[in-house]
Amino acid sequence: EMQLVESGGDLVQPGGSLRLSCAASGFPFNKYAMSWVRQAPGQGPEWVSSLAATGGGAFYADSVRGRFTISRDNSRNTLYLQINSLRAEDTAVYYCAKAHYNLGIVDAFDVWGQGTMVTVSS
Amino acid sequence: QSVLTQPPSASGTPGQRVTISCSGSLSNVETNDVFWYQQFPGTAPKLLIYRNNERPSGVPDRFSGSKSGTSAFLAISGLRSEDEADYYCASWDDSPSGFVFGTGTTLIVL
Repeated sequence: EMQLVESGGDLVQPGGSLRLSCAASGFPFNKYAMSWVRQAPGQGPEWVSSLAATGGGAFYADSVRGRFTISRDNSRNTLYLQINSLRAEDTAVYYCAKAHYNLGIVDAFDVWGQGTMVTVSS
Repeated sequence: QSVLTQPPSASGTPGQRVTISCSGSLSNVETNDVFWYQQFPGTAPKLLIYRNNERPSGVPDRFSGSKSGTSAFLAISGLRSEDEADYYCASWDDSPSGFVFGTGTTLIVL
């Protein structure tokens, strides 16, 4: 069974940092592009960032570019999101998601994790 | 990033057919594939439709997708009470490069 498990969410003060992790299992992780999608309370999903299977070629939403960094360790089957200079508007559940086919970044998200909550508040 | 526009809500009675629209632009819906997701409260979104009209295994054929120009559509036929959920369209946007999601539609089964 394909599975994604996020961790690392926490309550942090504005300006703080966190590193989110997403552990993958049940599929060849190094063959698929991966993404982070967040969802603020009561809002719809918002795409955050995507990374190609090889680790080269990252894309970011304008709202996070320069503050967030996506990376992956294919030897550990793990995706990361380093989030810096946190703002109140970054408060959300952060999901990692897998590309449907091993053809690149531009693809549907067919497997999602359960999400990890990031709360930015003083 | 721009967003895709959906009606806030849609409704129907059991057995009816309901269609949800998703309005975008040349740089996203018209040029790239559209995906549809279903989400229940407190859970992650679930992929319903990929490549505009393809269903992943396990998704009932009551769900179908289509696209015309800058708009996409999700149709649900034979409406059932368990279809009551939030539905989101999504697509890749070429400018600036990134995924965009729809504003979401809450489906109510009367």
